Amino acid sequence: KQEVTQIPAALSVPEGENLVLNCSFTDSAIYNLQWFRQDPGKGLTSLLLIQSSQREQTSGRLNASLDKSSGRSTLYIAASQPGDSATYLCAVQTGANNLFFGTGTRLTVIP
Amino acid sequence: GAGVSQSPSNKVTEKGKDVELRCDPISGHTALYWYRQSLGQGLEFLIYFQGNSAPDKSGLPSDRFSAERTGGSVSTLTIQRTQQEDSAVYLCASSPWTSEYNEQFFGPGTRLTVL
Repeated sequence: KQEVTQIPAALSVPEGENLVLNCSFTDSAIYNLQWFRQDPGKGLTSLLLIQSSQREQTSGRLNASLDKSSGRSTLYIAASQPGDSATYLCAVQTGANNLFFGTGTRLTVIP
Repeated sequence: GAGVSQSPSNKVTEKGKDVELRCDPISGHTALYWYRQSLGQGLEFLIYFQGNSAPDKSGLPSDRFSAERTGGSVSTLTIQRTQQEDSAVYLCASSPWTSEYNEQFFGPGTRLTVL
């Protein structure tokens, strides 16, 4: 069964700092990988989706990379802002059906 | 356009009662998913619908859980004889499900509390 791990579980950084969130998965036969953001008491907002044939995706200050062979993905956030404070989840899809989620990284950006 | 919507947003029920949770997917999305997020746990897959195919129920935790999708659109997740361990946030997602692109879009969730 696919296992997804996210490190660190929690991270606090001062505003303006660049940061990297890590995600690893055990089965490299994935269909795609998604990064989500979850605010307290809210649903999930999709940030970036990387297809298995791609190595990275960028959206604004966010850049996600994928190394399928090693089972790793990173989410890079540039020039962090207090509004970036949230829980970040990565999820992999290993077929047509469900996503396997990590337990998330809780990010706090301190003004 | 409108995103995925779920109702109710919050539901408090007594142990042993049945509950129904509703999901309205994005119009035109053929795939619909239910997930559960328990306190301190990651999201876990419950059930998946794709078009008119038989649903993938492999994630349902017990036979007290069932789901329907009527007319290929709205879905209802039913939990019978609720237990305290059923307390969680239930999230619904939909996707256009093409062979090339299968991004899942999530609703705001229903927070279920079983007393």
